[in-house]
Amino acid sequence: QVTLRESGPALVKPTQTLTLTCIVSGFSLSSNGMCVSWIRQSPGKALEWLARIDWDDDKYYSRSLKTRLTISKDTFKNQVVLTMTNLDPVDTATYYCARNHYYDGRGYDYWGQGALVTVSS
Amino acid sequence: EIVLTQSPGTLSLSPGERATLSCRASQSFSSRYLAWYQQKPGQAPSLLIYGASSRATGIPDRFSGSGSGTDFTLTISGLYPEDFAVYYCQQYGSSPWTFGQGTKVEIK
Repeated sequence: QVTLRESGPALVKPTQTLTLTCIVSGFSLSSNGMCVSWIRQSPGKALEWLARIDWDDDKYYSRSLKTRLTISKDTFKNQVVLTMTNLDPVDTATYYCARNHYYDGRGYDYWGQGALVTVSS
Repeated sequence: EIVLTQSPGTLSLSPGERATLSCRASQSFSSRYLAWYQQKPGQAPSLLIYGASSRATGIPDRFSGSGSGTDFTLTISGLYPEDFAVYYCQQYGSSPWTFGQGTKVEIK
């Protein structure tokens, strides 16, 4: 059974750094073709793609947020970590992690339930 | 970066009616990498269609996708009450991957 679960702080102060963890089960982050992404959604707004890390440790970032984001994975802990620096109230959003398989071309077939992060002083 | 523009922003329809949602890309890409997702309030998105026209596991056949190049369409042949939701298209063929801004299908 494939699951993804986001964890992290619910409240962050402006200018601080946010660290979110996606804990996965039912698949291996090192399996050939496996990718995990972070996607966020501000209240009432559309989905925004943030970053992706692949089985071979290749990493991709949103162009607009590239300078503030770092994605990494720990295969042994089954975790994907996203850090975002210099938080601003506009970063208030629900942050999702989702997986896709690069070679089967199906898009995001499993999603976490999301973690709401509020940026406020 | 490929920009996806969805239209209309909101579609007001009655149960049983046909819904046609559009997703237009700023540049052409392989239809193999176009997906549609459904999102209901308070829930994570869920995969409906991948590869522009393939239904994900368990998706009823009233949902269909089509298109190629820069123009893609999601059609719901007859709306059920549970189909009223927001729908997003996404391209995953060219990094950075991108989503459209969504189309809300609401009850008229």
